[in-house]
Amino acid sequence: ETGVTQTPRHLVMGMTNKKSLKCEQHLGHNAMYWYKQSAKKPLELMFVYSLEERVENNSVPSRFSPECPNSSHLFLHLHTLQPEDSALYLCASSQDLYRSEGYTFGSGTRLTVV
Amino acid sequence: AQKITQTQPGMFVQEKEAVTLDCTYDTSDPSYGLFWYKQPSSGEMIFLIYQGSYDQQNATEGRYSLNFQKARKSANLVISASQLGDSAMYFCAMREGPGGSNYKLTFGKGTLLTVNP
Repeated sequence: ETGVTQTPRHLVMGMTNKKSLKCEQHLGHNAMYWYKQSAKKPLELMFVYSLEERVENNSVPSRFSPECPNSSHLFLHLHTLQPEDSALYLCASSQDLYRSEGYTFGSGTRLTVV
Repeated sequence: AQKITQTQPGMFVQEKEAVTLDCTYDTSDPSYGLFWYKQPSSGEMIFLIYQGSYDQQNATEGRYSLNFQKARKSANLVISASQLGDSAMYFCAMREGPGGSNYKLTFGKGTLLTVNP
């Protein structure tokens, strides 16, 4: 148990579907992050939330829409995705935005777009 | 230019042997932090060790140690007494700037370590 839980673990969706990824942490952390991990590429930071406010939107296409209803939950809403969006989506959290310690990651959602 | 370079796509080591995973970094900021993460096939990224740029001593955590050579801008991870469970992807990452100014972690492409019995 990592402290950061992501659901579902695996997701297959068509390009016209709408789905959501969920991330939940019970570590009392104030910052949460979405990363995309594609094959043979470094992790790409997508979104950052601090105290439920978005502080980073890293030029991510609008077909990805984040939501942070409270400091324990983070969602990534998906619609009209492309096959190149297939990847492992990792959620992470940290105590605060500017602490020197690293993040605590979840196990990720393996997304396949068909 | 890549900020984090891991030149070894894959490494093999015999069980109980030590292994060094290479990481070089590029920054002009005098204050930064360096991290190593382990990612097993399950997907979860596990934090292993942290080194601050002003830390006088190399970081150690159990069987993990970080060989920090500031002048060469390298932060190699040393795993002693390898175990079969150490087989995983290993990522080097950097945060630039002092803790109060930057929150972004930049990752390398990773090294796949395989421990042979």
